Amino acid sequence: QVQLVQSGAEVKKPGSSVKVSCRAPGDTLSNYGVSWVRQAPGQGFEWMGGIIPIFGTTNYAQKFQGRVTLTTDESANTIYLELSSLRPEDTAIYYCARERTLYSGYAAIWGQGTLVTVSS
Amino acid sequence: DIQMTQSPSTLSASVGDTITITCRASQSISNWLAWLQQKPGKPPKVLIYKASILESGVPSRFSGSESGTEFTLTISGLQPDDFATYYCQQYNSWTFGQGTKVEIK
Repeated sequence: QVQLVQSGAEVKKPGSSVKVSCRAPGDTLSNYGVSWVRQAPGQGFEWMGGIIPIFGTTNYAQKFQGRVTLTTDESANTIYLELSSLRPEDTAIYYCARERTLYSGYAAIWGQGTLVTVSS
Repeated sequence: DIQMTQSPSTLSASVGDTITITCRASQSISNWLAWLQQKPGKPPKVLIYKASILESGVPSRFSGSESGTEFTLTISGLQPDDFATYYCQQYNSWTFGQGTKVEIK
């Protein structure tokens, strides 16, 4: 069964950057659309952006334009989310999510989540 | 952005009940609508996609329907494992409803 494995929790200072990874052991992650979604404590979900590595395409939510970057390391079968200029309100659980098949569109498989805490 | 208005925010029910959760899109999303279930401390799990198609492995007591821009999730015969928070998600441009917490009455 396909699973997504994310990197561990991070604690960051305001103004710094964080890079979270998402890999799929035994699967080729670059063949699918992968999105990143975050969930602030006790809150709902917020889409940040998506990437289709096989086509080299990225799409970012307007709210995060200029602060978020999605990249791929195909040799490591890993996708990265980098968020810069961190503020306390960026404290959240960050999830990667893969679509079931290319262009099916919906988030069929989710990572376990990575807690990012931004605090001075 | 497409807004998804989900109701109710909380629903109290008993095992065996049939419950309904509704989501309304602010504009047409065709049937690009998924229903997700989330339990505390866990990532979401997809139940239904394309408004009414059951994801593999999901029990048949879950069902989805659509009428224009209004979408409904029905759980027929609530089981103890179903007490959780449910979210609708339009995946045309990826926005989510605010969630419905289903709690034990």
